[in-house]
Amino acid sequence: GQNIDQPTEMTATEGAIVQINCTYQTSGFNGLFWYQQHAGEAPTFLSYNVLDGLEEKGRFSSFLSRSKGYSYLLLKELQMKDSASYLCAALDSNYQLIWGAGTKLIIKP
Amino acid sequence: GAVVSQHPSWVICKSGTSVKIECRSLDFQATTMFWYRQFPKQSLMLMATSNEGSKATYEQGVEKDKFLINHASLTLSTLTVTSAHPEDSSFYICSALGTSDYNEQFFGPGTRLTVL
Repeated sequence: GQNIDQPTEMTATEGAIVQINCTYQTSGFNGLFWYQQHAGEAPTFLSYNVLDGLEEKGRFSSFLSRSKGYSYLLLKELQMKDSASYLCAALDSNYQLIWGAGTKLIIKP
Repeated sequence: GAVVSQHPSWVICKSGTSVKIECRSLDFQATTMFWYRQFPKQSLMLMATSNEGSKATYEQGVEKDKFLINHASLTLSTLTVTSAHPEDSSFYICSALGTSDYNEQFFGPGTRLTVL
């Protein structure tokens, strides 16, 4: 079956760095997305990886290892507004998004 | 660019009534739109894939006669929850498939449905 695993909840301190891991098992693979979702709002796009390696975009970076079925989202210089759920989603061979349950990130002052 | 709107943002209705939710791509044409449902503290659950001019493809376990989807134009898809019941209360989110190389989905702001 198809499956996405990511931690349920993480806590970090303002100004620090946090890494949110995601492992996936899908029927075929056409890339991996990370989305940010604040409570009561729709997801917003953060990153897309289809090749191995690290993609850096400001304070956020995303890494992919296709051979390991593994990705992580790295958030630097954490701000209180980064408190949100972070959703990992893999695009399968049918170009359908398989969603993880999301990681709730709590930022403490 | 790539803005998707949803209307209404929230709706409260009585059990047994029907509710229509609209999803519009404002600045691009979307041949494919998706409808998701999200319960509290859970991830998005795909309900159906809506293709312009054809019947929607429903995910297993989603009743097509209860959740009517119409994608009559390249910028509008509608979801009608018929004979709504309290268990249908949820956050309904639509997305439109963009034209980028990596099939990015652009999400609407969501509609919170509460059935009394």
